[in-house]
Amino acid sequence: EVQLVQSGGGLVQPGGSLRLSCAASGFSFDDHAMHWVRQAPGKGLEWVSGISWNSGTKEYADFVKGRFTISRDNAKTSLYLQMNSLRVEDTALYYCARDINGAAYWALDLWGQGAMVTVSS
Amino acid sequence: EIVLTQSPATLSVSPGETVTLSCRASQSVSSKLVWYQQKPGQAPRLLIYGASTRATGIPARFSGSGSGTEFTLTISSLQSEDFAIYYCQQYNNWPPLTFGQGTKVEIK
Repeated sequence: EVQLVQSGGGLVQPGGSLRLSCAASGFSFDDHAMHWVRQAPGKGLEWVSGISWNSGTKEYADFVKGRFTISRDNAKTSLYLQMNSLRVEDTALYYCARDINGAAYWALDLWGQGAMVTVSS
Repeated sequence: EIVLTQSPATLSVSPGETVTLSCRASQSVSSKLVWYQQKPGQAPRLLIYGASTRATGIPARFSGSGSGTEFTLTISSLQSEDFAIYYCQQYNNWPPLTFGQGTKVEIK
């Protein structure tokens, strides 16, 4: 089955760290760029970060630059998001998503189930 | 950063009607515009990319049009399963990929 299965969400204090994982199966993982997109409760979609098929290009939204790190392991067909210096405003449901393109960022055609990250003291 | 503005915020329609959703970009995105559908408690679903190309498995009642700064998503003969929130997204200028704020299509 073609799917993305996420893990790693949870409750963390402001200033803390969390690592999200996204395990891909059923397709050629290294043919696709991958992304993280978040959605705060009751709000819209917000792109967080993207990575090209070979990790040659990594991009971040300004609001996470310097705090979050995207990575992938094509051998393990997995995508990761290391989140450091978390803020209350980072509280959201985080989705991993597959791009229809390998090198550039286009459209997201397969999404994980989401992982809730709550930043609160 | 390209800002996408969707209108209206909410559409109240009856099943069987045809609806048109609008997405306006703050500057030209050529035809690099995507539409997603999101239902409560679910991840978004890709509907349209390249402004008018339906994604795999998307019914023909969904159609997209436009280029430059003005785009529309038309849903013909609305089905019960089409009541959802619809988002547009551009990929002409990145980073970042940007999304519109969404249009909710609700039952009248």
